[in-house]
Amino acid sequence: ETGVTQTPRHLVMGMTNKKSLKCEQHLGHNAMYWYKQSAKKPLELMFVYNFKEQTENNSVPSRFSPECPNSSHLFLHLHTLQPEDSALYLCASSQPWTGLNEKLFFGSGTQLSVL
Amino acid sequence: AQSVAQPEDQVNVAEGNPLTVKCTYSVSGNPYLFWYVQYPNRGLQFLLKYITGDNLVKGSYGFEAEFNKSQTSFHLKKPSALVSDSALYFCAVRQREAAGNKLTFGGGTRVLVKP
Repeated sequence: ETGVTQTPRHLVMGMTNKKSLKCEQHLGHNAMYWYKQSAKKPLELMFVYNFKEQTENNSVPSRFSPECPNSSHLFLHLHTLQPEDSALYLCASSQPWTGLNEKLFFGSGTQLSVL
Repeated sequence: AQSVAQPEDQVNVAEGNPLTVKCTYSVSGNPYLFWYVQYPNRGLQFLLKYITGDNLVKGSYGFEAEFNKSQTSFHLKKPSALVSDSALYFCAVRQREAAGNKLTFGGGTRVLVKP
């Protein structure tokens, strides 16, 4: 295993529901990421947190709300999603990048279906 | 701006034959280049990276990649493919001089190794 755990593995939700995705890393990293993986599209970076502070928001709609309470945990809160938001959501972690330690560790993802 | 192109959606190869997965990139300045692999129902796993130095980079599972600055390419290669190499392969780039840890991925290439 990679040391990055995501729950749940699968999630089906209606457009009016509110749900949260959870990510936990046991690697002592200080940077955490959310990526979206849709079929036949490049992996899309959504959010980056460094030392619990959000440093990147890649123009993500406000129906996706990230939370990073500490360096080991990352959440993605979901509300009033659209069917096109159905995708595999991947969490990753790394050391803060200095050029020599550039390497992401990914979780197995949450497969989200919005009905 | 930075971008990655993986021109082949799928590569088919017989077991024991050489495997090549193509990647070209566009970045302002000098690149950091990466290959990741995704097995079914798993997150991405790091294979190898080019940061600086020798243009030929060796990575996990017998894979290697060659950085070609003039052709802006970073093709992934393996001399003798195994059935277990069947997976989705992603190339990624980041501008070396840029601050932060924003990695841009290509669309992925599915590799199918037939016995």
